[in-house]
Amino acid sequence: EIVLTQSPGTLSLSPGERATLSCRASQSVGSSYLSWFQQKPGQAPRLLIYGTSNRATGIPDRFSGSGSGTDFTLTISRLEPEDFAVYYCQQSASSPPAFTFGPGTKVDLK
Amino acid sequence: QVQLQESGPGLVKPSETLSLTCTVSGGSVTRGSYFWNWIRQPAGKGLEWVGYISYRGDTNYSPSLKSRVSISAATSKNQFSLNLSSVTAADTAVYYCARVGRTTVTAGPDNYYHFYNMDVWGKGTTVTVSS
Repeated sequence: EIVLTQSPGTLSLSPGERATLSCRASQSVGSSYLSWFQQKPGQAPRLLIYGTSNRATGIPDRFSGSGSGTDFTLTISRLEPEDFAVYYCQQSASSPPAFTFGPGTKVDLK
Repeated sequence: QVQLQESGPGLVKPSETLSLTCTVSGGSVTRGSYFWNWIRQPAGKGLEWVGYISYRGDTNYSPSLKSRVSISAATSKNQFSLNLSSVTAADTAVYYCARVGRTTVTAGPDNYYHFYNMDVWGKGTTVTVSS
C-alpha cells in the first residue's frame, strides 16, 4: 500500500503570499494518479488538481501542481482570503484503483 | 449536473452495523466509467477512503476495513450503500459519498494510463457510535 506524507503540517502565510505544499509517496506514483483536494471547515473536499498538474473544472489558475515519481507539489501563486483551508494529496496508482490520502496541510492566516 | 446525498442513522450502537445510502441524481450508477465511493473523516482528522462499487458492480475496499465493509448498489433506485459491521467508537466520523470518473488515455499500442477524478461529493453525514 502506498503511503503519502505531506509537509509542512501547517503553513502560516498572509494573503498575497506564495504557498508551496509538498506530498511525498512511499513508492513511485504515475503522474496521472496524483490529485489534490481543498477542504474548508464544515464542507466536503473539492477536487483542485488531477493527474499531477491538471486543474479541475472552475479552479483558478493561481493553483498549480507539479512533480513526478515520489515527490509532488501544489503551489498557490498568490493566496486569496478564500484559499485558507486544508489541502490533501491523494493517489490512485494501483489496479484496480484504490485511493489513499495524505494527512493534509493546513494553510492558515499568519 | 450530478449530485450525491447521503442518508442513514446518525447514531449506531457499538458492535452493530452502520448502514448508509447515497442517492445519485442527475446521473446513473450503471452508466459511464464511474466508481462510487465512500470516504470518512473523524472529527478534526484527515480523510480515509473506505471503498467503492464500480459501474460494472465490482467492489474494492480499504485493506484496513475490508473484513467489515460491504458496498452494494440498488440500480433501480440509483443508489449505493455502505454497510460497516461490528462498529466501535473509532468508526465515529463524517461519512461522504463521492464519484470517481475514469478517463483513459492511449499513448501507443499497449500503452495507456488512466486519470481518476474524485470530482463530485455529497455534503456528508455524521455517524456517532455510542450506546
